[in-house]
Amino acid sequence: DAMVIQNPRYQVTQFGKPVTLSCSQTLNHNVMYWYQQKSSQAPKLLFHYYDKDFNNEADTPDNFQSRRPNTSFCFLDIRSPGLGDAAMYLCATSRDVGQGLGSAFFGQGTRLTVV
Amino acid sequence: QKEVEQNSGPLSVPEGAIASLNCTYSDRGSQSFFWYRQYSGKSPELIMFIYSNGDKEDGRFTAQLNKASQYVSLLIRDSQPSDSATYLCAVGTGGFKTIFGAGTRLFVKA
Repeated sequence: DAMVIQNPRYQVTQFGKPVTLSCSQTLNHNVMYWYQQKSSQAPKLLFHYYDKDFNNEADTPDNFQSRRPNTSFCFLDIRSPGLGDAAMYLCATSRDVGQGLGSAFFGQGTRLTVV
Repeated sequence: QKEVEQNSGPLSVPEGAIASLNCTYSDRGSQSFFWYRQYSGKSPELIMFIYSNGDKEDGRFTAQLNKASQYVSLLIRDSQPSDSATYLCAVGTGGFKTIFGAGTRLFVKA
């Protein structure tokens, strides 16, 4: 089945130790997103790609970086995780044409714990 | 700062009743509107999208959009206990950027 897959589902990292979260998709969507969601809060958009065009949110900390080497894969790098970065990280894709334009298909999420 | 506002709830309705969920948004230029359902510990899943003023029905769900009032709602008819979840309103603000509300928790009592 076409889908969005995130790895790992759960990640524990040490304070200050770089960590990378991965996302892959078989939907062939041009748009990919990374959201951060903390308990009982809205998913917060960190950045998104339209194809290779990277769009960073103004309030996304420099500590968060992203790479999209090809259409199928996208990575979230947290260079020096702090305790406040513990959250669910959601990868999503959306189509850029046709019905449902902008509708997001989410992966299962990666729950990040910082110790 | 573009915002999407929802009542956090919880909204409690009996099984079989109509649940009404509401959302307001601040960016008058928004063009696309979405409702997502999120079960505890899971990722959001799309329920409906709406682009034009008026109502859009899909099974037990009806989305309503009023751009003049910057208001979008979701009605769930014949509510079931399995509908108990957090419902997230999301607004497309242009360039594929989508902003989410914090969600309304819905409880459907059997």
